[in-house]
Amino acid sequence: QVQLQESGPGLVKPSQTLSLTCTVSGDSITSGDYYWTWIRQHPERGLEWIGNISYSGTTSSKQSLRSRLTMSLDTSKNQFSLTLSSVTAADTAVYFCARGDRETTSFDSWGQGTLITVSS
Amino acid sequence: ETVLTQSPGTLSLSPGERATLSCRASQSVSNIYLAWYQQKPGQAPRLLIYGASSRATGIPDRFSGSGSGTDFTLTISRLEPEDCAVYYCQQGGTFGQGTKVEIK
Repeated sequence: QVQLQESGPGLVKPSQTLSLTCTVSGDSITSGDYYWTWIRQHPERGLEWIGNISYSGTTSSKQSLRSRLTMSLDTSKNQFSLTLSSVTAADTAVYFCARGDRETTSFDSWGQGTLITVSS
Repeated sequence: ETVLTQSPGTLSLSPGERATLSCRASQSVSNIYLAWYQQKPGQAPRLLIYGASSRATGIPDRFSGSGSGTDFTLTISRLEPEDCAVYYCQQGGTFGQGTKVEIK
Protein backbone atom coordinates (compact mmCIF):
# COMPACT_ATOMS: atom_id res chain seq x y z
CA GLN A 1 0.00 0.00 0.00
CA VAL A 2 1.49 3.30 -1.10
CA GLN A 3 1.94 6.04 1.49
CA LEU A 4 2.97 9.66 1.00
CA GLN A 5 4.26 12.03 3.68
CA GLU A 6 4.90 15.75 3.28
CA SER A 7 7.59 17.58 5.21
CA GLY A 8 8.13 21.30 5.38
CA PRO A 9 8.98 24.30 7.57
CA GLY A 10 5.51 25.24 8.82
CA LEU A 11 6.28 28.96 8.80
CA VAL A 12 7.88 30.97 6.01
CA LYS A 13 8.54 34.71 5.91
CA PRO A 14 7.15 36.81 3.07
CA SER A 15 9.44 37.05 0.01
CA GLN A 16 11.34 33.91 1.04
CA THR A 17 11.33 30.50 -0.66
CA LEU A 18 9.12 27.62 0.45
CA SER A 19 10.58 24.12 0.14
CA LEU A 20 8.49 20.97 0.58
CA THR A 21 9.39 17.31 0.24
CA CYS A 22 7.13 14.30 -0.22
CA THR A 23 8.48 10.91 0.83
CA VAL A 24 6.88 7.95 -0.91
CA SER A 25 6.78 4.42 0.47
CA GLY A 26 5.18 1.32 -1.01
CA ASP A 27 5.79 2.44 -4.60
CA SER A 28 8.68 3.72 -6.66
CA ILE A 29 8.59 7.27 -8.00
CA THR A 30 10.28 5.87 -11.11
CA SER A 31 7.03 4.05 -11.95
CA GLY A 32 5.82 5.18 -15.35
CA ASP A 33 2.17 4.78 -14.40
CA TYR A 34 1.89 7.89 -12.23
CA TYR A 35 2.42 11.63 -11.97
CA TRP A 36 3.72 12.86 -8.63
CA THR A 37 1.56 15.83 -7.78
CA TRP A 38 1.26 18.85 -5.49
CA ILE A 39 -2.14 20.25 -4.50
CA ARG A 40 -2.93 22.96 -1.97
CA GLN A 41 -5.97 24.10 -0.04
CA HIS A 42 -6.30 27.63 1.29
CA PRO A 43 -8.00 27.93 4.71
CA GLU A 44 -11.71 27.11 4.43
CA ARG A 45 -11.39 26.95 0.64
CA GLY A 46 -11.36 24.39 -2.15
CA LEU A 47 -8.55 22.40 -3.73
CA GLU A 48 -6.00 23.94 -6.09
CA TRP A 49 -3.77 21.86 -8.33
CA ILE A 50 -0.20 23.21 -8.29
CA GLY A 51 1.64 20.86 -10.62
CA ASN A 52 3.19 17.47 -11.17
CA ILE A 53 6.38 15.69 -12.15
CA SER A 54 6.75 12.42 -14.00
CA TYR A 55 9.27 9.63 -13.50
CA SER A 56 11.40 11.17 -16.27
CA GLY A 57 11.44 14.59 -14.60
CA THR A 58 8.97 16.21 -16.99
CA THR A 59 6.87 18.80 -15.18
CA SER A 60 3.50 20.45 -15.69
CA SER A 61 2.24 23.30 -13.50
CA LYS A 62 -0.49 25.88 -12.95
CA GLN A 63 0.23 28.81 -15.20
CA SER A 64 -0.16 31.45 -12.48
CA LEU A 65 2.52 29.76 -10.33
CA ARG A 66 4.92 28.69 -13.04
CA SER A 67 7.35 31.57 -12.76
CA ARG A 68 7.90 30.86 -9.02
CA LEU A 69 7.73 27.07 -9.02
CA THR A 70 10.35 24.34 -9.30
CA MET A 71 9.69 20.62 -8.92
CA SER A 72 12.24 17.82 -8.76
CA LEU A 73 12.77 14.11 -8.03
CA ASP A 74 15.27 12.40 -5.75
CA THR A 75 15.13 8.79 -6.85
CA SER A 76 17.77 7.69 -4.34
CA LYS A 77 15.45 8.71 -1.51
CA ASN A 78 12.16 8.00 -3.34
CA GLN A 79 11.15 11.62 -2.77
CA PHE A 80 9.86 14.48 -4.86
CA SER A 81 10.05 18.14 -3.96
CA LEU A 82 8.57 21.55 -4.57
CA THR A 83 10.11 24.99 -4.17
CA LEU A 84 7.99 28.13 -4.42
CA SER A 85 9.86 31.43 -4.44
CA SER A 86 8.81 34.94 -3.38
CA VAL A 87 5.96 33.71 -1.20
CA THR A 88 3.21 36.00 0.07
CA ALA A 89 0.32 35.58 2.48
CA ALA A 90 -1.70 34.27 -0.46
CA ASP A 91 0.50 31.15 -0.40
CA THR A 92 -0.68 30.25 3.11
CA ALA A 93 -2.40 26.88 2.71
CA VAL A 94 -2.33 23.18 3.50
CA TYR A 95 -0.08 21.56 0.93
CA PHE A 96 -0.77 17.96 -0.12
CA CYS A 97 1.33 15.61 -2.20
CA ALA A 98 -0.55 12.97 -4.15
CA ARG A 99 -0.10 10.18 -6.67
CA GLY A 100 -1.85 10.88 -9.96
CA ASP A 101 -2.83 8.10 -12.30
CA ARG A 102 -1.39 8.74 -15.75
CA GLU A 103 -4.34 7.16 -17.53
CA THR A 104 -7.31 8.64 -15.65
CA THR A 105 -5.61 11.73 -14.07
CA SER A 106 -7.30 10.89 -10.76
CA PHE A 107 -5.40 11.12 -7.46
CA ASP A 108 -5.59 7.76 -5.74
CA SER A 109 -3.24 8.30 -2.81
CA TRP A 110 -2.62 11.44 -0.77
CA GLY A 111 -0.33 12.59 1.99
CA GLN A 112 -1.96 13.91 5.16
CA GLY A 113 -1.07 17.49 4.25
CA THR A 114 1.16 20.07 5.86
CA LEU A 115 0.09 23.58 6.86
CA ILE A 116 2.35 26.32 5.55
CA THR A 117 1.86 29.80 6.97
CA VAL A 118 3.48 32.82 5.35
CA SER A 119 3.98 35.49 7.98
CA SER A 120 6.67 37.75 9.32
CA GLU B 1 -9.21 25.66 -19.20
CA THR B 2 -12.30 23.70 -18.17
CA VAL B 3 -14.30 25.11 -15.25
CA LEU B 4 -16.22 22.65 -13.06
CA THR B 5 -19.30 23.99 -11.26
CA GLN B 6 -20.82 21.92 -8.49
CA SER B 7 -24.34 22.16 -7.11
CA PRO B 8 -25.86 22.52 -4.66
CA GLY B 9 -23.42 24.28 -2.37
CA THR B 10 -24.83 22.50 0.66
CA LEU B 11 -27.10 19.48 0.92
CA SER B 12 -28.85 18.70 4.21
CA LEU B 13 -30.51 15.27 4.40
CA SER B 14 -31.49 12.62 6.90
CA PRO B 15 -29.80 9.23 7.33
CA GLY B 16 -31.10 6.72 4.80
CA GLU B 17 -32.00 9.37 2.22
CA ARG B 18 -30.51 9.61 -1.26
CA ALA B 19 -28.03 12.39 -2.02
CA THR B 20 -27.56 13.61 -5.58
CA LEU B 21 -24.56 15.88 -6.27
CA SER B 22 -24.02 17.59 -9.59
CA CYS B 23 -20.83 18.60 -11.43
CA ARG B 24 -21.16 20.59 -14.64
CA ALA B 25 -18.19 21.24 -16.94
CA SER B 26 -17.78 24.37 -19.07
CA GLN B 27 -16.85 22.17 -22.04
CA SER B 28 -17.19 18.50 -22.86
CA VAL B 29 -15.02 16.20 -20.74
CA SER B 30 -13.95 12.67 -21.53
CA ASN B 31 -15.50 10.31 -18.98
CA ILE B 32 -12.14 8.72 -18.21
CA TYR B 33 -10.89 11.98 -16.72
CA LEU B 34 -13.76 12.74 -14.28
CA ALA B 35 -13.26 11.84 -10.62
CA TRP B 36 -15.00 12.44 -7.28
CA TYR B 37 -13.44 12.86 -3.84
CA GLN B 38 -14.68 12.97 -0.26
CA GLN B 39 -12.97 15.23 2.27
CA LYS B 40 -13.70 15.23 5.99
CA PRO B 41 -12.47 18.02 8.30
CA GLY B 42 -8.75 17.85 8.99
CA GLN B 43 -8.22 15.04 6.50
CA ALA B 44 -6.87 14.68 3.00
CA PRO B 45 -9.36 14.06 0.21
CA ARG B 46 -10.17 10.41 -0.55
CA LEU B 47 -10.77 9.16 -4.07
CA LEU B 48 -14.30 7.77 -4.40
CA ILE B 49 -14.95 7.52 -8.14
CA TYR B 50 -12.66 7.62 -11.18
CA GLY B 51 -13.49 7.40 -14.85
CA ALA B 52 -16.87 8.98 -14.02
CA SER B 53 -18.37 5.70 -12.75
CA SER B 54 -15.70 3.31 -11.39
CA ARG B 55 -15.50 2.99 -7.61
CA ALA B 56 -12.04 3.23 -6.09
CA THR B 57 -10.70 0.43 -3.92
CA GLY B 58 -12.65 -0.03 -0.68
CA ILE B 59 -15.43 2.42 -1.52
CA PRO B 60 -18.91 1.19 -0.45
CA ASP B 61 -21.39 0.45 -3.22
CA ARG B 62 -23.81 3.08 -1.92
CA PHE B 63 -21.53 5.56 -3.77
CA SER B 64 -22.04 5.67 -7.52
CA GLY B 65 -21.05 8.01 -10.34
CA SER B 66 -22.69 8.67 -13.68
CA GLY B 67 -22.85 11.14 -16.51
CA SER B 68 -21.09 12.15 -19.70
CA GLY B 69 -20.16 15.18 -21.75
CA THR B 70 -20.65 18.19 -19.48
CA ASP B 71 -22.96 16.77 -16.79
CA PHE B 72 -21.85 14.34 -14.12
CA THR B 73 -23.51 13.08 -10.94
CA LEU B 74 -22.37 11.51 -7.70
CA THR B 75 -25.13 9.61 -5.92
CA ILE B 76 -25.07 8.36 -2.35
CA SER B 77 -27.96 5.91 -2.29
CA ARG B 78 -28.52 5.66 1.48
CA LEU B 79 -26.84 8.33 3.56
CA GLU B 80 -25.00 7.27 6.67
CA PRO B 81 -23.75 9.61 9.40
CA GLU B 82 -20.12 9.10 8.33
CA ASP B 83 -20.93 10.50 4.87
CA CYS B 84 -20.95 14.00 6.33
CA ALA B 85 -18.17 15.68 4.31
CA VAL B 86 -17.34 17.95 1.41
CA TYR B 87 -17.38 16.30 -2.02
CA TYR B 88 -15.30 17.52 -4.97
CA CYS B 89 -15.31 16.64 -8.63
CA GLN B 90 -12.06 16.85 -10.60
CA GLN B 91 -10.89 16.75 -14.19
CA GLY B 92 -7.18 16.97 -14.85
CA GLY B 93 -5.82 20.05 -13.08
CA THR B 94 -9.24 21.45 -12.21
CA PHE B 95 -11.43 20.88 -9.15
CA GLY B 96 -15.00 21.94 -8.58
CA GLN B 97 -15.68 24.21 -5.63
CA GLY B 98 -17.24 21.41 -3.58
CA THR B 99 -20.63 20.36 -2.19
CA LYS B 100 -21.03 20.07 1.57
CA VAL B 101 -23.25 17.19 2.70
CA GLU B 102 -24.79 17.61 6.13
CA ILE B 103 -26.67 14.91 7.99
CA LYS B 104 -29.75 16.09 9.88
